[in-house]
Amino acid sequence: KAGVTQTPRYLIKTRGQQVTLSCSPISGHRSVSWYQQTPGQGLQFLFEYFSETQRNKGNFPGRFSGRQFSNSRSEMNVSTLELGDSALYLCASSFRQAGTDTQYFGPGTRLTVL
Amino acid sequence: AQSVAQPEDQVNVAEGNPLTVKCTYSVSGNPYLFWYVQYPNRGLQFLLKYITGDNLVKGSYGFEAEFNKSQTSFHLKKPSALVSDSALYFCAVRDTNAGKSTFGDGTTLTVKP
Repeated sequence: KAGVTQTPRYLIKTRGQQVTLSCSPISGHRSVSWYQQTPGQGLQFLFEYFSETQRNKGNFPGRFSGRQFSNSRSEMNVSTLELGDSALYLCASSFRQAGTDTQYFGPGTRLTVL
Repeated sequence: AQSVAQPEDQVNVAEGNPLTVKCTYSVSGNPYLFWYVQYPNRGLQFLLKYITGDNLVKGSYGFEAEFNKSQTSFHLKKPSALVSDSALYFCAVRDTNAGKSTFGDGTTLTVKP
């Protein structure tokens, strides 16, 4: 079974631009979560989608948004990029929206904002 | 609110020696605990999890973890370390009915030949 895939793997943008990242979960998984990883802040939860609905949201500004499609694929969007948005963005999928289910992570998208 | 602490930023061990990476947690309700490993420029790989049952959980690559409810700890262990075990290790606790995981700050494990 294929793992979680994320595209693109690397992205370079300039301040003020916007970016869209994509995540395809493991087949059959319906829950998709997004995390931001930075050296200073570690792994921070962004949001979680289940059945095309945002179920949880972390403490990030409204510039960060996402959506989930009927095939469970998810996208996250960051508008008006800031230098501090440079990070590794990780997507994780699980079968259900349940604490007992393991989250499986993709390789991440490395975003650099210049 | 739930939280996870990994008190050691760095753990150094010699190849062949046992290793322990420490994790303590704070949750209300039942703890669902996970260990992940991250290699450079890669995503997180699942190692093992504790949901219920035996306090000693066995996982991938010879790793195991011991759940201790009274000490609210979930330490990762391996009887004999390999150089290839050198990586960044994260402990996480998962919400009972949600997709959110809360991660510790990570511990860099270095195994020297």
